[in-house]
Amino acid sequence: GQNIDQPTEMTATEGAIVQINCTYQTSGFNGLFWYQQHAGEAPTFLSYNVLDGLEEKGRFSSFLSRSKGYSYLLLKELQMKDSASYLCAVMDSNYQLIWGAGTKLIIKP
Amino acid sequence: GAVVSQHPSWVICKSGTSVKIECRSLDFQATTMFWYRQFPKQSLMLMATSNEGSKATYEQGVEKDKFLINHASLTLSTLTVTSAHPEDSSFYICSARDLSGYEQYFGPGTRLTVT
Repeated sequence: GQNIDQPTEMTATEGAIVQINCTYQTSGFNGLFWYQQHAGEAPTFLSYNVLDGLEEKGRFSSFLSRSKGYSYLLLKELQMKDSASYLCAVMDSNYQLIWGAGTKLIIKP
Repeated sequence: GAVVSQHPSWVICKSGTSVKIECRSLDFQATTMFWYRQFPKQSLMLMATSNEGSKATYEQGVEKDKFLINHASLTLSTLTVTSAHPEDSSFYICSARDLSGYEQYFGPGTRLTVT
């Protein structure tokens, strides 16, 4: 079966760095996405990785290792507005997105 | 950037009535649209995938006669919840994928409350 695992909840301090991990087992791989979702709102796109390595975009970076079925989202200089759920999703061989359950990130002052 | 709209943003209806939700891609052509449902504190659950001009593909456990999906054009898909019941109360989100890319662009969601 297809499976995406990520921690349910994480807590971090304003100004700090946090890494949210995601492991996956899917039938085929056409890229991995990270989305941010604030409560009561739709997800917004953060990053897309299809090749191994690190993609940096401002305060957010995403890493992929296809051989390990592993990705992480790194958030630097955390701000209170970063409190949200972070969703990991893998596009399988049918170009369908397989979603993780999301990681709720709580930022404390 | 690509924009997807949904209408209405929220709706309250009585049990037994039907509700139609529209999803529009405003500045691109969406060959494929996706309908998701999200219950409180849970992840997105894909309900169905629709391609323009063809019948939608429903996920296991989703009743196609209850959740009617129409994707009549490259910019519009509709989801109709027929004979709604309180357990259908949820956050319904559509997303659209354009001709060239992999990314799904999400609409703002529709919060449905059935009383």
